[in-house]
Amino acid sequence: AQSVAQPEDQVNVAEGNPLTVKCTYSVSGNPYLFWYVQYPNRGLQFLLKYITGDNLVKGSYGFEAEFNKSQTSFHLKKPSALVSDSALYFCAVRPSGGYQKVTFGTGTKLQVIP
Amino acid sequence: DTAVSQTPKYLVTQMGNDKSIKCEQNLGHDTMYWYKQDSKKFLKIMFSYNNKELIINETVPNRFSPKSPDKAHLNLHINSLELGDSAVYFCASSQNPTGGAQTQYFGPGTRLLVL
Repeated sequence: AQSVAQPEDQVNVAEGNPLTVKCTYSVSGNPYLFWYVQYPNRGLQFLLKYITGDNLVKGSYGFEAEFNKSQTSFHLKKPSALVSDSALYFCAVRPSGGYQKVTFGTGTKLQVIP
Repeated sequence: DTAVSQTPKYLVTQMGNDKSIKCEQNLGHDTMYWYKQDSKKFLKIMFSYNNKELIINETVPNRFSPKSPDKAHLNLHINSLELGDSAVYFCASSQNPTGGAQTQYFGPGTRLLVL
């Protein structure tokens, strides 16, 4: 069975500082990995995904994530945090190939402090 | 134009009632989903339909019945509502995921409160 772990319920970072939101996964075979963001009282919005190829994936709003197969991680990063980045971030995984469900992590609340 | 829309946005009802939530997508996607997000923000898939055919049915009580009249619509009917059904229900859609890592597009959510 596949699973996603987001070990931090909340991450606090000062505006302008780099941010990292952690994600590790477990899946059979090669993974497809995703990051979504949820603003208060809104649905989830897609940020970026890893399918294959370059381990560093760039996405929306200046976010990027690095796929590390040996550590089974897919941490979300941004060089300089904005107050408007404050939101709930979800990592998700599914096995590649065929029709497979996507499993979401428990979410990490990012608080960017002015 | 809203890509994935849900109605109603809020639903407050008494235990034991039956209610429906509607979802429509105008993205031309083949696949639609229902997710439940609980008070701790945990997000769990309930159902997935591909071109009107049920593909995923995750351990959901049979009081929950999805219906897909066409591939642009996926409705969720809930019978005999219970307190534990209180949650935010999200509809989502994507292109056929057998084609690869398809991005899911989420609706704004329906906030259900059972009293």
